[in-house]
Amino acid sequence: EVQLVESGGGLVQPGGSLRLSCAASGFTFSSYAMHWVRQAPGKGLEYVSAISSNGGSTYYANSVKGRFTISRDNSKNTLYLQMGSLRAEDMAVYYCARWNYGDFLPGYFDYWGQGTLVTVSS
Amino acid sequence: QSVLTQPPSVSGAPGQRVTISCTGSSSNIGAGYDVHWYQQLPGTAPKLLIYGNSNRPSGVPDRFSGSKSGTSASLAITGLQAEDEADYYCQSYDSSLSGPGVFGTGTKVTVL
Repeated sequence: EVQLVESGGGLVQPGGSLRLSCAASGFTFSSYAMHWVRQAPGKGLEYVSAISSNGGSTYYANSVKGRFTISRDNSKNTLYLQMGSLRAEDMAVYYCARWNYGDFLPGYFDYWGQGTLVTVSS
Repeated sequence: QSVLTQPPSVSGAPGQRVTISCTGSSSNIGAGYDVHWYQQLPGTAPKLLIYGNSNRPSGVPDRFSGSKSGTSASLAITGLQAEDEADYYCQSYDSSLSGPGVFGTGTKVTVL
């Protein structure tokens, strides 16, 4: 059974940093591109970042470029999102999601984690 | 501002049929890129509902169906049930953008 379990969310002050993790199991993690998608309270889904199966390619939404860094450790079946210079508008539930391809070909998310809440407030 | 537009809300009585539109343009749906649909029940993560315009993953009831025509796609729910009350999002790829894809604006389905 495919499982994606996020952790690392919490309360952080504006300007602060946080690292999210997503532990994957039940599939060959190194074969799939992985994404972070967020959802602000009461809002829709927003792409945040993506990384190819071997970590060689990454994508960042303009809203987080230069502040967030995506990475993965295929030996640990874990996806990460290092978030810095956090702003109020970064407050959201962050989901990790599996892309159905190993790279960034047009595709879809076939599995999602349960999400982790990031609250940015002083 | 999403390039895929959905109605903010649709509603129907139990047993009825409702449809949700996802309107795009010549750089996404109209260019032939597939449309996928996700269901997000209250307080939960999104779940893949339809992929490749009209395919259902294992376990998704056949009450849910998808279609695509021109620059738009649609999700239909027939025999609406109380447990179908959720938010629904379409998703596709847009050749004019740098990212791996785009989400629709989302539609709240209310069962009356």
